[in-house]
Amino acid sequence: QLQLQESGPGLVKPSETLSLTCTVSGGSISSSYYWGWIRQPPGKGLEWIGSIFYSGSTYYNPSLKSRVTISGDTSKNQFSLKLSSVTAADTAVYYCARHFPPGPSFDYWGQGTLVTVSS
Amino acid sequence: QSALTQPPSASGSPGQSVTISCTGTSSDVGAYNYVSWYQQHPGKAPKLMIYEVSKRPSGVPDRFSGSKSGNSASLTVSGLQAEDEADYYCSSYAGSNNFVFGTGTKVTVL
Repeated sequence: QLQLQESGPGLVKPSETLSLTCTVSGGSISSSYYWGWIRQPPGKGLEWIGSIFYSGSTYYNPSLKSRVTISGDTSKNQFSLKLSSVTAADTAVYYCARHFPPGPSFDYWGQGTLVTVSS
Repeated sequence: QSALTQPPSASGSPGQSVTISCTGTSSDVGAYNYVSWYQQHPGKAPKLMIYEVSKRPSGVPDRFSGSKSGNSASLTVSGLQAEDEADYYCSSYAGSNNFVFGTGTKVTVL
């Protein structure tokens, strides 16, 4: 059974960089799937942040593209998110998930991790 | 890209049906047959219920069905059960490897 687990700091200061890692078990990130990040501010809806294909190609939400980097580490079976210059508006539960092409079919999700941006 | 529009709430009695709409544009919902629906219980991760407009992943009851017409998609839950009470989100491919989610609908089982 495929499992995804997010990890990283729960508190980030404004203007700094948010860094999260998703560890995948029960399957390989080198398989023919996309691996993505989605966030959900407290009490609000879902927002797709971006995805990485097993080949290494990356795709980002245009509204966040200038601040987002997603990368993969096949040796650790992990993929990571970096979001720079964070503000309070970036406070959210961050989920990692697998999706299959070509649509937004996110079929396996991590449990989510709350990241708060505050000084 | 703007979020897809969903009604904030919907409700129905046990055994009844409820339909949730998801309105986009000719650049997302109207342009592609790549609409997904997710169910999210409080404090939990979303669960994929429908993909590619009307396909159900293994394990999802056939009480859940999806459709699309023009720039709008719909999710229908038939034979409502108490465990169907949750938030539901639609999502669509928006071209150029972009995805957009809906605003979310809270379904209440009366």
